Amino acid sequence: GDSVTQMEGPVTLSEEAFLTINCTYTATGYPSLFWYVQYPGEGLQLLLKATKADDKGSNKGFEATYRKETTSFHLEKGSVQVSDSAVYFCALSNTGNQFYFGTGTSLTVIP
Amino acid sequence: EPEVTQTPSHQVTQMGQEVILRCVPISNHLYFYWYRQILGQKVEFLVSFYNNEISEKSEIFDDQFSVERPDGSNFTLKIRSTKLEDSAMYFCASSAQGASGNTIYFGEGSWLTVV
Repeated sequence: GDSVTQMEGPVTLSEEAFLTINCTYTATGYPSLFWYVQYPGEGLQLLLKATKADDKGSNKGFEATYRKETTSFHLEKGSVQVSDSAVYFCALSNTGNQFYFGTGTSLTVIP
Repeated sequence: EPEVTQTPSHQVTQMGQEVILRCVPISNHLYFYWYRQILGQKVEFLVSFYNNEISEKSEIFDDQFSVERPDGSNFTLKIRSTKLEDSAMYFCASSAQGASGNTIYFGEGSWLTVV
């Protein structure tokens, strides 16, 4: 069945460091891929998405490219800030009415 | 910006008791969902609801679970007789269209602790 595997956390980075959080997926057909973020005390918020192969989603300096050949959707940011500290979830949706999530990766950015 | 709201934010209940988690989806959305996350595990789909009926449910959503849209604004998840393993964060979500390829909007979650 459909599933998502994402990088184990927690991740701790210094401010202005480069961030990569790996995400790979298993799915039939042509799923859509998402990154959601959960800031402390808040709900899951959409960060970015891509609906077809080679699409790049981007938002707030974060980017992820839908790579069908490697079944990946890695999240990257060139220079993280303290305010980026949160839990990041990779997810996919396919033909049904449910999303499949990864376990989440906790990011802490220290000044 | 419109948001999904959930109550309570945290509930502690005794094993065997009934629990109702409440959600107010975004007002013009037509599709409603419940997900849960057991500590340290993946966010798991429980159920989707459209046009006043369940459209899809997972294996987790057994007979002890039920959902209801009692009026035009609320969407509830009832757990009839809670077990220790029901302890989790429960997320309500809604979307204007079906989940496939579309964004779904989540609430802040309700922490359920069963003791």
